[in-house]
Amino acid sequence: EVQLQESGPGLVKPSQSLSLTCSVTGYSITSNYWGWIRKFPGNKMEWMGYISYSGSTSYNPSLKSRISITRDTSKNQFFLQLNSVTTEDTATYYCARRGYNYGYYFDYWGQGVMVTVSS
Amino acid sequence: DVVLTQSPATLSVTPGERISLSCRASESVDTYLHWYQQKPNESPRLLIKYASQSISGIPSRFSGSGSGTDFTLSINGVELEDLSIYYCQQGNSLPYTFGAGTKLELK
Repeated sequence: EVQLQESGPGLVKPSQSLSLTCSVTGYSITSNYWGWIRKFPGNKMEWMGYISYSGSTSYNPSLKSRISITRDTSKNQFFLQLNSVTTEDTATYYCARRGYNYGYYFDYWGQGVMVTVSS
Repeated sequence: DVVLTQSPATLSVTPGERISLSCRASESVDTYLHWYQQKPNESPRLLIKYASQSISGIPSRFSGSGSGTDFTLSINGVELEDLSIYYCQQGNSLPYTFGAGTKLELK
């Protein structure tokens, strides 16, 4: 069974970087696409970006140059780094698997990690 | 970006009734529209893919319809365990976008 698990600090100071890890079991990240999605207080959901089976990436333009998604295939993990955070980045962060077939949906999700940006 | 507008924002329901939730896209997304259920303190769960395709393990009371810009998620005989937030998401163009959600609450 495919399982994803996010980990990382729950509190980040403004202007610092947010770094999260998604550990995947039951499936290799050298297949499919692996993304980050966040849910803000108030329930708005935002797709942040993904890293593909080959290591290519795609990001939401709303995050401009603040975001980076990388991976470690030896550990079957992928990572999110979001720079220069503000209080508006306070959210629950999910990692999820996206399929190959066009029209893309997310079929497996981690349980989410709540991140608060506060001094 | 494709804007997805869900309505209503909140729906009060009685167990056993049939309900419909709406998702409208700002431009055509063909049938590349998917539905998720999120219960409190859980991660989203894929309910329906490609507007109307069922997902293994999802109860048959959930169904979807629509294409282009107008989509509907129906629950035929709401159960208490269905009290959740429901989101639509389009996968037709980047960036992928989600609707604001419809919250089902008990009447």
